[in-house]
Amino acid sequence: EAQVTQNPRYLITVTGKKLTVTCSQNMNHEYMSWYRQDPGLGLRQIYYSMNVEVTDKGDVPEGYKVSRKEKRNFPLILESPSPNQTSLYFCASRFGKGEQFFGPGTRLTVL
Amino acid sequence: DAKTTQPPSMDCAEGRAANLPCNHSTISGNEYVYWYRQIHSQGPQYIIHGLKNNETNEMASLIITEDRKSSTLILPHATLRDTAVYYCIVSFFGNEKLTFGTGTRLTIIP
Repeated sequence: EAQVTQNPRYLITVTGKKLTVTCSQNMNHEYMSWYRQDPGLGLRQIYYSMNVEVTDKGDVPEGYKVSRKEKRNFPLILESPSPNQTSLYFCASRFGKGEQFFGPGTRLTVL
Repeated sequence: DAKTTQPPSMDCAEGRAANLPCNHSTISGNEYVYWYRQIHSQGPQYIIHGLKNNETNEMASLIITEDRKSSTLILPHATLRDTAVYYCIVSFFGNEKLTFGTGTRLTIIP
């Protein structure tokens, strides 16, 4: 089944403790992206990647890192999480210029 | 990307057609209209997109006015499973970013 998977789905952590949210897609898509969703603010793009080893900042990249070493994986790294990064995170992928496929989301709470 | 305006909420009776409007008066000639929906807190789901002609697929129809300043998403026979937040997005085809606004919360009433 074609899908975008994210892990973990839920995470509660403490300020400053490094964490990684994984994203994987099995559709051989070149383009992948990370969004965060907060009440009243809609979805905002954090980072995107047009292909392996090609990444660029979205609207809200501060406090996040990404890497794209393989086509299927696009992990989101929080080196020193802070409470303002408490949010619902979505990974998405796309083939060429078609529609985006979104993962199920990761709900992160930083205490 | 052009900005869009949608009503914050709408109700529709089950089995009836749901018509969701979107205004995009600043749309440029090469920008497409995309519709996505988000059921509860799941990942957004693509519905349909179009440039200037009306489009139809298995999920919905998209009607774009001749001046392209507004559009309507039509769910022909709404079911309870169509209750969701619907986002109208204007963007260049294949743009790196989709800018989601706050959308329209559609509630299907039994």
